[in-house]
Amino acid sequence: KAGVTQTPRYLIKTRGQQVTLSCSPISGHRSVSWYQQTPGQGLQFLFEYFSETQRNKGNFPGRFSGRQFSNSRSEMNVSTLELGDSALYLCASSPRTGSGANVLTFGAGSRLTVL
Amino acid sequence: AQSVTQPDIHITVSEGASLELRCNYSYGATPYLFWYVQSPGQGLQLLLKYFSGDTLVQGIKGFEAEFKRSQSSFNLRKPSVHWSDAAEYFCAVVPSGGNNRKLIWGLGTSLAVNP
Repeated sequence: KAGVTQTPRYLIKTRGQQVTLSCSPISGHRSVSWYQQTPGQGLQFLFEYFSETQRNKGNFPGRFSGRQFSNSRSEMNVSTLELGDSALYLCASSPRTGSGANVLTFGAGSRLTVL
Repeated sequence: AQSVTQPDIHITVSEGASLELRCNYSYGATPYLFWYVQSPGQGLQLLLKYFSGDTLVQGIKGFEAEFKRSQSSFNLRKPSVHWSDAAEYFCAVVPSGGNNRKLIWGLGTSLAVNP
């Protein structure tokens, strides 16, 4: 069974640009969550999608957005990049939503560097 | 506010030595508890979880953790560390009956293993 696949693995952007990251969940998983990981702040929840609908959202500005397609693949977009957006962006999938008992399976992440 | 504390930012042990990584949480009720491991350049992998029942749980790679309600702790242990265990370890909690959005993470403990 293929794991969670994130692309691209590494990317470098400059301030003011925008970026789109992609996540393909485990086959059969319908929930996709996104996290930002930085050394200072640790793991912070961005948002969760289930059945093409955003179910939960963390405390991030509107520059951070996402969507989910009918095949459960998800993308997140960050517009008007800032230096502080440099981070590892992790995607996680789970079969369902709405329960803390849902175990997350993570991808390897997309390392974004903003210059 | 709910929080997860991993008091040790960095730990170094010798190969073959025993290991204990600490995790304390601040929560009103018993939450669901998780330990994840992150190897360099990789996403997070679930080591073990506690939902209910026996307070000593076994995980993958020879790890175990003990839930102590009176101490609000969920410490991770391994009797004999291998060099391949060098990684970052994260404790996470979510309210029982909650959802993934409320998954709260510790800042992690970095483990180095001396040969």
